[in-house]
Amino acid sequence: DAGVTQSPTHLIKTRGQQVTLRCSPKSGHDTVSWYQQALGQGPQFIFQYYEEEERQRGNFPDRFSGHQFPNYSSELNVNALLLGDSALYLCASSLVSGWAYEQYFGPGTRLTVT
Amino acid sequence: QQPVQSPQAVILREGEDAVINCSSSKALYSVHWYRQKHGEAPVFLMILLKGGEQKGHEKISASFNEKKQQSSLYLTASQLSYSGTYFCGTEDYTGRRALTFGSGTRLQVQP
Repeated sequence: DAGVTQSPTHLIKTRGQQVTLRCSPKSGHDTVSWYQQALGQGPQFIFQYYEEEERQRGNFPDRFSGHQFPNYSSELNVNALLLGDSALYLCASSLVSGWAYEQYFGPGTRLTVT
Repeated sequence: QQPVQSPQAVILREGEDAVINCSSSKALYSVHWYRQKHGEAPVFLMILLKGGEQKGHEKISASFNEKKQQSSLYLTASQLSYSGTYFCGTEDYTGRRALTFGSGTRLQVQP
C-alpha cells in the first residue's frame, strides 16, 4: 500500500522566484492538506483540497496557492518567495467520508530560500 | 490559537513512564497525536474524538477530556524507539478537518 509521496525532496530557490511542490496521496484517500513546518515548530495548516477545490485555508497570504487533480494528487505553488518561506512543506492525505479521519503525512519537501 | 503542550522536553531512562499534555482554549471535536523523529515526517499515533474516550496503541495510550479541552498522551515502559518530538493536533468546530498543532514535546529516552 503506497503511502503519501512528495517531490522534490529538497529545493533551493532565490528570493522572488516561484516554486511548485507536488504530492500524491495515500491510496484510497481523496483529501490533501498542506502544512508548513518551520524549524523547531509544529506544522502550520496552509490549505486543504477536496474534489479539486480549496475547502479550507489557514492564515497564509495569497502567494500560496494550490491545485488538486482528478487523480487526487495536489500541487502547492508559492510565488514571490521570501526568506521566511524557508521550511519543511508537508502534505497530508485523508479520507473525507465518515465522522473520524486520520491524516497521514508524506516525507516533506525541504525548501530553502536564499 | 494553537494548543499548549507540556512539558516542552523530557528525558527518560528506558522503562520509565511519561505523560504529555495538550490543552486548548477552543471547544474541540478531536485531538490527533503524532510522533516526529529528526528529519522525518510526523507519524500518526492515534485520534481521539469528543466523548472523553481513551485509546491505546501498544504501550502508548491517550485520553481526551472534552469538558476541559485537554488531552494527555501516556507512554509506559518507554523504549529507545519512543524518542522524538510529540505533537498534538487539534480540530475545532470552526475548522473541521484542519489541524492546529502545538509546538511539540521533545522526548529523549536514554539506555
